[in-house]
Amino acid sequence: GENVEQHPSTLSVQEGDSAVIKCTYSDSASNYFPWYKQELGKRPQLIIDIRSNVGEKKDQRIAVTLNKTAKHFSLHITETQPEDSAVYFCAARDSGGGADGLTFGKGTHLIIQP
Amino acid sequence: SAVISQKPSRDICQRGTSLTIQCQVDSQVTMMFWYRQQPGQSLTLIATANQGSEATYESGFVIDKFPISRPNLTFSTLTVSNMSPEDSSIYLCSVEGQGNEKLFFGSGTQLSVL
Repeated sequence: GENVEQHPSTLSVQEGDSAVIKCTYSDSASNYFPWYKQELGKRPQLIIDIRSNVGEKKDQRIAVTLNKTAKHFSLHITETQPEDSAVYFCAARDSGGGADGLTFGKGTHLIIQP
Repeated sequence: SAVISQKPSRDICQRGTSLTIQCQVDSQVTMMFWYRQQPGQSLTLIATANQGSEATYESGFVIDKFPISRPNLTFSTLTVSNMSPEDSSIYLCSVEGQGNEKLFFGSGTQLSVL
């Protein structure tokens, strides 16, 4: 089955700086890669996703890049703000076999220092 | 995205008892999943709730411990049976967005077992 590794586990950045979270996956058949943001005590919220036929996708201050050859993908947050503080999870899914659930990374606790 | 409601939002239970968690969606969805999030951990897929047939369980999860019902395309239940303190977690139902593979989560059930 799929295995997703996520780094770092904790990331502290100054407000206004950029943050980058990286994930690798093991199953070359995986072709859908979402990112979720989970604030304390709340449900995970989908913030951006990318399919394997695209190398990069951007939505305002967040972007995701995908390197299929190396089997890794990254979340980039620019001009970080205090409300970006949360736990971020990457995930991967192999859609070839039908609609199985996602395999998640272990999460990154992002701390924005004022 | 669909509105996904879970009940109860939290509960404190005694060892050896069972708790049934309900998940209601405001529209018909084909794919519905149940996840577990242990304290400070990532999200782990328990099973796929199949409408009209038995749920499909992931490795490490069994029907006797986590029976699931899916009587129609808008509703599912997860029962945590014969609970022990190790079952203390957040349990989340999730659904696949209509016509796409995006996964959305319910509000979660915080379970504490004494």
